Amino acid sequence: SAVISQKPSRDICQRGTSLTIQCQVDSQVTMMFWYRQQPGQSLTLIATANQGSEATYESGFVIDKFPISRPNLTFSTLTVSNMSPEDSSIYLCSVEDGVSYEQYFGPGTRLTVT
Amino acid sequence: EDKVVQSPLSLVVHEGDTVTLNCSYEVTNFRSLLWYKQEKKAPTFLFMLTSSGIEKKSGRLSSILDKKELSSILNITATQTGDSAIYLCARDFGNEKLTFGTGTRLTIIP
Repeated sequence: SAVISQKPSRDICQRGTSLTIQCQVDSQVTMMFWYRQQPGQSLTLIATANQGSEATYESGFVIDKFPISRPNLTFSTLTVSNMSPEDSSIYLCSVEDGVSYEQYFGPGTRLTVT
Repeated sequence: EDKVVQSPLSLVVHEGDTVTLNCSYEVTNFRSLLWYKQEKKAPTFLFMLTSSGIEKKSGRLSSILDKKELSSILNITATQTGDSAIYLCARDFGNEKLTFGTGTRLTIIP
């Protein structure tokens, strides 16, 4: 299975600021996914990041709020912009194994906005 | 609307008990159903069930997909305190996007 790392592991940020989360995979993957898990909730897909094209956002998520970069096949970033306390969540990146189709998650970033 | 519903929402049992967690969905066409264990932040992959692999087993954990009933179960036998976690099921429609269920919070009492 792919080995996925995320940075930072956690952060406490002030309202109105932005945070960029990094996701690194140890192998090349076509698509990377960003999920959000709000407190007490299940995981919700934010967007799909393809290398060389614009990210595809799910309903309720917009590029201005969650800009995504995908500069190569092993790396992606998600920025949470102009943060409010409602953005306090765990943010997770995931990838799919191209052979088994099993999906694996990074260790997550716990964001608290004060 | 595409929904994945898990039951029960929470479950408390004693160490050594056997538990069965349920996952139901509404749409028939999908590529796979996945089970994850979430202890802190990151969901850990447990099983993937597909049309060609409707039953999986690993140690004390096993899972079955019932395509007729549009459901799946996750069984854990001889539970241990380390099994305490949130168990999530998710569906993949073949576009690699996962739709997650509500999760079941399992607590094992020593």
